[in-house]
Amino acid sequence: DVKVTQSSRYLVKRTGEKVFLECVQDMDHENMFWYRQDPGLGLRLIYFSYDVKMKEKGDIPEGYSVSREKKERFSLILESASTNQTSMYLCASRLKMTSYSGTGDEQYFGPGTRLTVT
Amino acid sequence: AQSVTQLDSHVSVSEGTPVLLRCNYSSSYSPSLFWYVQHPNKGLQLLLKYTSAATLVKGINGFEAEFKKSETSFHLTKPSAHMSDAAEYFCVVHYNFNKFYFGSGTKLNVKP
Repeated sequence: DVKVTQSSRYLVKRTGEKVFLECVQDMDHENMFWYRQDPGLGLRLIYFSYDVKMKEKGDIPEGYSVSREKKERFSLILESASTNQTSMYLCASRLKMTSYSGTGDEQYFGPGTRLTVT
Repeated sequence: AQSVTQLDSHVSVSEGTPVLLRCNYSSSYSPSLFWYVQHPNKGLQLLLKYTSAATLVKGINGFEAEFKKSETSFHLTKPSAHMSDAAEYFCVVHYNFNKFYFGSGTKLNVKP
């Protein structure tokens, strides 16, 4: 079974702090994702990495950066946390992209990190 | 534009009765379609997926979904609800590359 783990389940940080959220997958997947989930807004993609050191902006990258130095680990960084970044953050991994049409390669999700910025 | 619509934000059923969670999508391509379940304070777990093989897809925990191209629908069903099915359900459409479109979710309440 694919396992995706996230470093913290709950995190409380102060405004202006630099925050690191870590995600690790154990199935040698090429693709990794960071989403945030907010009530009424569903899941929104922050960043996507299709391989080591490769990244692409998602729909809401402002205020975030990412790092992928090793294949199994994908980090989300909040450079200067703000209260509007209080949210549930979900990491996911997927085997790889294979074509432009739907490939059926599903995403595997971690348990989530609930971040509160005060 | 590609999109996915979950027609009900909340569904309430009695234990032992059928479940129907509705999902419609818009697409210019042949997509892959998924249903995920999320229990409170947990991540998303894959229930089932459609990848252009059989139109009736069976998943875990007795759930199944039927892909109807003419109606652009992928509704999730279960013949008999259990209390443990109470959760939020997401319909997800994958068109290409890294683009996964998530529905807004349907919260399923199961009454004893």
